[in-house]
Amino acid sequence: NAGVTQTPKFQVLKTGQSMTLQCAQDMNHEYMSWYRQDPGMGLRLIHYSVGAGITDQGEVPNGYNVSRSTTEDFPLRLLSAAPSQTSVYFCASSPFTGELFFGEGSRLTVL
Amino acid sequence: AQKVTQAQTEISVVEKEDVTLDCVYETRDTTYYLFWYKQPPSGELVFLIRRNSFDEQNEISGRYSWNFQKSTSSFNFTITASQVVDSAVYFCALSENDYKLSFGAGTTVTVRA
Repeated sequence: NAGVTQTPKFQVLKTGQSMTLQCAQDMNHEYMSWYRQDPGMGLRLIHYSVGAGITDQGEVPNGYNVSRSTTEDFPLRLLSAAPSQTSVYFCASSPFTGELFFGEGSRLTVL
Repeated sequence: AQKVTQAQTEISVVEKEDVTLDCVYETRDTTYYLFWYKQPPSGELVFLIRRNSFDEQNEISGRYSWNFQKSTSSFNFTITASQVVDSAVYFCALSENDYKLSFGAGTTVTVRA
């Protein structure tokens, strides 16, 4: 049972490069979200989606894009990476019960 | 706006001691949901508990217990007889709609043998 799968687990980028963090879930959850975790700041919501074709901004959306073409996938795109985007990124899904099912995280370093 | 405050950044205890983690929240909603998550050193995030605003009963699960007090906007978490395996970062979270969660900054608990 895969749950929520994030790829890649580690990535190093140079300033200005773009990349996509992939997130897939096999639990048929309508709700999916992306958080970033930084020391001393907890987890902050970047973007979320309540179903295919529907996305919305969270607390810290600048510099990130998302799309939701299928129930299963919710990729996070960094358009032009900046050192401030160095972080650990978590994708999560939920069947609207409040319990979030998290992926293992993706550690991104921007030089 | 919703806000969750975990004032304790780090707590260090000796094994078998009890430890209480404080969580204070702010919300204008009358219906809301509170959560605790655990992040062990391996990095994954583990769901511990969900509580809605209409249920103020305290809850106990093994060595874990939670004290929800609406009068003080607090949802505190106690680990009784702590063990080394309890060493982790613990996050308190709040949601107005039961899916979009706002997290506190987290409290790092270190249990020394």
